Amino acid sequence: DTAVSQTPKYLVTQMGNDKSIKCEQNLGHDTMYWYKQDSKKFLKIMFSYNNKELIINETVPNRFSPKSPDKAHLNLHINSLELGDSAVYFCASSQGTVDQPQHFGDGTRLSIL
Amino acid sequence: EDQVTQSPEALRLQEGESSSLNCSYTVSGLRGLFWYRQDPGKGPEFLFTLYSAGEEKEKERLKATLTKKESFLHITAPKPEDSATYLCAVQAAGANSKLTFGKGITLSVRP
Repeated sequence: DTAVSQTPKYLVTQMGNDKSIKCEQNLGHDTMYWYKQDSKKFLKIMFSYNNKELIINETVPNRFSPKSPDKAHLNLHINSLELGDSAVYFCASSQGTVDQPQHFGDGTRLSIL
Repeated sequence: EDQVTQSPEALRLQEGESSSLNCSYTVSGLRGLFWYRQDPGKGPEFLFTLYSAGEEKEKERLKATLTKKESFLHITAPKPEDSATYLCAVQAAGANSKLTFGKGITLSVRP
């Protein structure tokens, strides 16, 4: 019944490794997002896809690469992980890009050792 | 650049003690202002969208109001289960406009 689901929930890895986070939504929405919430709890948009097309690409290092195989999935791949990448990453979805509330997953807590 | 400032950062209330949370914003043409609730270890949960000054929306013990510069989330007779972080976000006018979030207000309600 989970509307927006992310895997894994926790990710602990070494600096320099490459990792992926997966997101799936079963709400029938056409827009999906990746957010980063840092230790100060500030929630910031990273990317957004509408109908598999990238529409928002904030100032994010090239090491972060989103991929949307279809409207229901948006994955995030991170290369050469750095200490500063430690954060909680949230996936969200909405119907359309304007006015509509976004529905969030429960986050993936990434810890870099 | 769009900005959202929430105050206070943290608020502790006694059960039944009503109060208000403030969200001040600067945006180039407001499309919508959103309130979310976030519990520890969970993602933000949508509460309200407000579109124009003077608009009000209610849900149980919560009422959100909007002016041209700020929004208030009024909590009437709160219960311990209202304890959470409340996030405010704005969306500017324009296609594919992003949400800009404030840092949130952590509310604790003591029984």
